[in-house]
Amino acid sequence: RKEVEQDPGPFNVPEGATVAFNCTYSNSASQSFFWYRQDCRKEPKLLMSVYSSGNEDGRFTAQLNRASQYISLLIRDSKLSDSATYLCVVSLTGGGNKLTFGTGTQLKVEL
Amino acid sequence: GAVVSQHPSRVICKSGTSVKIECRSLDFQATTMFWYRQFPKQSLMLMATSNEGSKATYEQGVEKDKFLINHASLTLSTLTVTSAHPEDSSFYICSARDGGGTGELFFGEGSRLTVL
Repeated sequence: RKEVEQDPGPFNVPEGATVAFNCTYSNSASQSFFWYRQDCRKEPKLLMSVYSSGNEDGRFTAQLNRASQYISLLIRDSKLSDSATYLCVVSLTGGGNKLTFGTGTQLKVEL
Repeated sequence: GAVVSQHPSRVICKSGTSVKIECRSLDFQATTMFWYRQFPKQSLMLMATSNEGSKATYEQGVEKDKFLINHASLTLSTLTVTSAHPEDSSFYICSARDGGGTGELFFGEGSRLTVL
């Protein structure tokens, strides 16, 4: 079983749609959680950290369910520029140094 | 903001040669840097943790004699792929944490290695 599992997609959605990505992780000792965005052939960039209480940053909302070892990302009013691969990332350390990446979920936002 | 730079961004070499990739933190000091590898359609996999002034810590299954890491200063870590073979062709990415600033982890732009 992979340490971090994601549906690879692709998710093809029209502009303005709401789309949700899910992720599960296998190690219950994981301490910190993130969503990264990776554009084709580029480095990953931090989208947002994920907190137990859930958190929102503009059109993006992240949720964490420790009991189910499940993380989600919701994107509202999707834009063409949101097209990318979204990486679910966990770390065993609170500081989030050594990261374990999922394979990513590809999103394509279309006109 | 803080930036991590990698060089070269792309390198093509012949089988059996060695390739050095540099990772620099441009405006902060990083006592620890991380080296990842990403094969096509696969996730980033941590290869090793580079520690300034001491030996790198390698993840299970990563050959330390093949992937030489040197972290000689607080702003520079290098990864040398020795005697490269086609199966070493991959996207190598480093990261470093701005411990003195926001604490955010920044990634380099990545280095795409193709071994012929």
